[in-house]
Amino acid sequence: DTGVSQDPRHKITKRGQNVTFRCDPISEHNRLYWYRQTLGQGPEFLTYFQNEAQLEKSRLLSDRFSAERPKGSFSTLEIQRTEQGDSAMYLCASSLSVGGPVDTQYFGPGTRLTVL
Amino acid sequence: DAKTTQPTSMDCAEGRAANLPCNHSTISGNEYVYWYRQIHSQGPQYIIHGLKNNETNEMASLIITEDRKSSTLILPHATLRDTAVYYCIVRVPPNYGGSQGNLIFGKGTKLSVKP
Repeated sequence: DTGVSQDPRHKITKRGQNVTFRCDPISEHNRLYWYRQTLGQGPEFLTYFQNEAQLEKSRLLSDRFSAERPKGSFSTLEIQRTEQGDSAMYLCASSLSVGGPVDTQYFGPGTRLTVL
Repeated sequence: DAKTTQPTSMDCAEGRAANLPCNHSTISGNEYVYWYRQIHSQGPQYIIHGLKNNETNEMASLIITEDRKSSTLILPHATLRDTAVYYCIVRVPPNYGGSQGNLIFGKGTKLSVKP
């Protein structure tokens, strides 16, 4: 297992277009997270899945954003009608939660979105 | 989750120890201290975590003061590849009644290791 993977690594789109990103977590990890990071800032939480259930969404996740994890494995994040303000790095992380304090999140390399 | 305060930037000479401080004066009894780092254009990388005892792993050591209001991450022999932004995060683990796991990142400390 080589870690969390994300596809594509880079995406350039025109304002108003829809984009979809994919995240493949570490095998057997039951939790999957999406974060967004803009230049000079730390990552900001967007949403989180436990298996296939989406359990938490940040207020940053407007109604133009939707995330799915249909079979509890890979996840997709879709942005509809993209705006220039959506330009950012979109990070995915996964973790294995089995109780206890250790819930180490392992991050993927990110998808850098540029909206023109 | 408690807030943390970190210096904006630090320099360290290659081969020397890098000591990165973090203040978390409002930390509560069940909050853990986590450290992550982010090398340019990569996703964050987990380093270490602790509650009140000092911790060490193959990457770093974590020293937490007795009153738990501050901590220091120590990279014993910094290399050029340790140049990164280091984030100190405090939170209640999700399995212990905290929020459902999301990490709250500040701006971190930009560590520059120089030859």
